Amino acid sequence: SQQGEEDPQALSIQEGENATMNCSYKTSINNLQWYRQNSGRGLVHLILIRSNEREKHSGRLRVTLDTSKKSSSLLITASRAADTASYFCATDVLNNNDMRFGAGTRLTVKP
Amino acid sequence: DTAVSQTPKYLVTQMGNDKSIKCEQNLGHDTMYWYKQDSKKFLKIMFSYNNKELIINETVPNRFSPKSPDKAHLNLHINSLELGDSAVYFCASSRLETQYFGPGTRLLVL
Repeated sequence: SQQGEEDPQALSIQEGENATMNCSYKTSINNLQWYRQNSGRGLVHLILIRSNEREKHSGRLRVTLDTSKKSSSLLITASRAADTASYFCATDVLNNNDMRFGAGTRLTVKP
Repeated sequence: DTAVSQTPKYLVTQMGNDKSIKCEQNLGHDTMYWYKQDSKKFLKIMFSYNNKELIINETVPNRFSPKSPDKAHLNLHINSLELGDSAVYFCASSRLETQYFGPGTRLLVL
């Protein structure tokens, strides 16, 4: 079953705008990760946030985690056309040696 | 150098055939995975191997069998291919939490 569910399913913005994607999950986790997938390519790791962290930054990326709501958000600031891709959240499930991915948010950044 | 590589990149075959997809990682990671991504982009874990031992096997038909000749390789064999097997298959590896993905193998069963 799907653990992470991203919303929206698709997001279209103009270059320079911020993009926010959300992820909800169902079980307790060790950490949550965000991955990016360009069309026709494999997934690339962006950022990891642990269950005892609430916010993390990496360049133009900002990730938040609310374990009480079982949700996370990924914010991309000052978006660029090159940010166009699908973004997936993945949860490292507590006491379970696997990682669960959602179906992703398809982000389109128009130049 | 490619960290995680898969061959072939594309695979078109007839129903009922048997095929294999190869995966190699040069990262020295201990764990390797196979994922299936369907047309709706859902990414589902199929198998993972840690030090040549299978540690995850989701509800995957036994027509699919992973084979790991050594720590750097995890191949996927598929017997009696069915139309529903058409998807993109990704190999990945990890040492700790972060996974590194291969470019994917696009399988089309006719």
